[in-house]
Amino acid sequence: EVQLVESGGGAVRPGGSLRLSCAASGFTFEDYGMDWVRQAPGKGLEWVSDINWNGGSTSYADSVKGRFTISRDNTKNSLYLQMNSLRAEDTALYYCARKGYLQEAFDIWGQGTMVTVSS
Amino acid sequence: QSALTQPASVSGSPGQSITISCTGTSSDVGGYNFVSWYQQHPGKAPKLMIFDVSNRPSGVSDRFSGSKSGNTASLTISGLQADDEAVYYCGSYRSSSTQVFGTGTKVTVL
Repeated sequence: EVQLVESGGGAVRPGGSLRLSCAASGFTFEDYGMDWVRQAPGKGLEWVSDINWNGGSTSYADSVKGRFTISRDNTKNSLYLQMNSLRAEDTALYYCARKGYLQEAFDIWGQGTMVTVSS
Repeated sequence: QSALTQPASVSGSPGQSITISCTGTSSDVGGYNFVSWYQQHPGKAPKLMIFDVSNRPSGVSDRFSGSKSGNTASLTISGLQADDEAVYYCGSYRSSSTQVFGTGTKVTVL
């Protein structure tokens, strides 16, 4: 079964850091681009970051650029999001999502991991 | 990076057809044939319904169809069913491997 499982969320103070992980299974992880998408409580989807199949190309939303770093380890079938200098507005459910093969759409999503930034 | 514009809500009776619009700019929706649509039920992860403007993933009902004209994309749901009640988001490639989502549309089945 194709599956993405996120972990690493939790409560953190403003200015703090967290590292999210996403474990992939059921498909050849290195064949796919991967992204992080977040959803603040009661709000819509917001694209956060993208990484290509080998980690050689990354992109970020302006709202997180310079604070978040996306990475992947194809030997461990894992995707990561290092989040630094966290702000209250980063509070959200963070989804890991797979880009469809040769597509720009997200065909597989995890269930999300919640990040709460509060003093 | 402003979101794509969608109507807040759309409703219809069972069996009817409804259409949700998604308006962007020439830098996203109008500039690429990489528009996608997602269905999200409460408490669930989004599900891909349409990719590349009008293509359906395997397993998605042919009652869902997508199109695009200029800077506006559309999702049509025909033969509306109770389980179609959900929030729908459009998404588009924007450039330099960035993406943008729509504001979301709540579909209500009357």
